Amino acid sequence: DTAVSQTPKYLVTQMGNDKSIKCEQNLGHDTMYWYKQDSKKFLKIMFSYNNKELIINETVPNRFSPKSPDKAHLNLHINSLELGDSAVYFCASSHGGRATGELFFGEGSRLTVL
Amino acid sequence: GNSVTQMEGPVTLSEEAFLTINCTYTATGYPSLFWYVQYPGEGLQLLLKATKADDKGSNKGFEATYRKETTSFHLEKGSVQVSDSAVYFCALSDPRNYGQNFVFGPGTRLSVLP
Repeated sequence: DTAVSQTPKYLVTQMGNDKSIKCEQNLGHDTMYWYKQDSKKFLKIMFSYNNKELIINETVPNRFSPKSPDKAHLNLHINSLELGDSAVYFCASSHGGRATGELFFGEGSRLTVL
Repeated sequence: GNSVTQMEGPVTLSEEAFLTINCTYTATGYPSLFWYVQYPGEGLQLLLKATKADDKGSNKGFEATYRKETTSFHLEKGSVQVSDSAVYFCALSDPRNYGQNFVFGPGTRLSVLP
């Protein structure tokens, strides 16, 4: 069973469109994250949710809106896509809100904006 | 703020060579330190970790020691294999910060040639 699963794995779309990426974890963790990895492999946190509550919201355009319907899911919706949004987006989860353990990552969703 | 610096890649080695990837950090307080590995087309996975000074993390022949006096967490392996080819990320997390705000280094790409 996949611990952290994201869909879709690949997403190719035109500028100006709206798209969503879904994430689910079956590890029983209470904290979930979205990270963005650019073409140089640099990894930057975007959002963090603990028990469905937003606790980290880095400087991200408000075109990006996370939504956590329950502890096991954290979806990412992106409005009015721009070329610079092209990247690999990783969902991750962990147990507990403090740095006591590891992050478990999904396989990533590669977004290409044309 | 907290930050992680690691050596620029790419690093290219022959099989059975000795590997060192340098990592230094800046943090207030006493962070936990991690090495994550990303194989091609996959998400990041934890390689090893250390949560306090002088701790040594080890896994799959890789080792790193938490050195508070030099604020370093260098990754080493005595004999690399072709299968070790991947991108390696040093990371820290400040346990005082709720939300496990992990800070990742820029990643170091390792290529091991047969």
